[in-house]
Amino acid sequence: EDQVTQSPEALRLQEGESSSLNCSYTVSGLRGLFWYRQDPGKGPEFLFTLYSAGEEKEKERLKATLTKKESFLHITAPKPEDSATYLCAVQASSGGSYIPTFGRGTSLIVHP
Amino acid sequence: AAGVIQSPRHLIKEKRETATLKCYPIPRHDTVYWYQQGPGQDPQFLISFYEKMQSDKGSIPDRFSAQQFSDYHSELNMSSLELGDSALYFCASSLYGYEQYFGPGTRLTVT
Repeated sequence: EDQVTQSPEALRLQEGESSSLNCSYTVSGLRGLFWYRQDPGKGPEFLFTLYSAGEEKEKERLKATLTKKESFLHITAPKPEDSATYLCAVQASSGGSYIPTFGRGTSLIVHP
Repeated sequence: AAGVIQSPRHLIKEKRETATLKCYPIPRHDTVYWYQQGPGQDPQFLISFYEKMQSDKGSIPDRFSAQQFSDYHSELNMSSLELGDSALYFCASSLYGYEQYFGPGTRLTVT
């Protein structure tokens, strides 16, 4: 069974204080790992897809990396508007179903 | 760019009533998904459709049903509503089963 564990559950940062969010996963063959941002009461917003170990993707202050066991979402010099819940999801390449397994998310609060 | 559209955005129903949620996926996306999200929870997969055919089924109660129509919009029908059905319901769409694009959600409150 595919599993995704995100840590920490909650993170409080000062504006400008860089940090990383972790997503550990077990999957029977990785088809893709996805990062989403979700604001309260809104739908998850797609950020990145990573397909293979060693891959990295960047968008503004966010950088996602992938190994065979985990993914990190690095946030450089965060701003208050980066406050949100960040969700990680993995998709298996075997089993015939492409329904992703989501983690519980990391709630990030950035204080000005 | 076009996004996933959901209606209504808010819905208030009484116990034992019926609700219908609508979803219009991104044009040319071939898969539609429905999720339920309770407070502080990750999205729970309910059901999906690939090219208008049901493709996967998750933790969808028997009281719920869904279908995708010829114009690719999808509807989630919920009957005999219970207090525990109160949640955010999201529709998402994808192309070739990769990253999902979520709609803004429908907030269902059952009283």
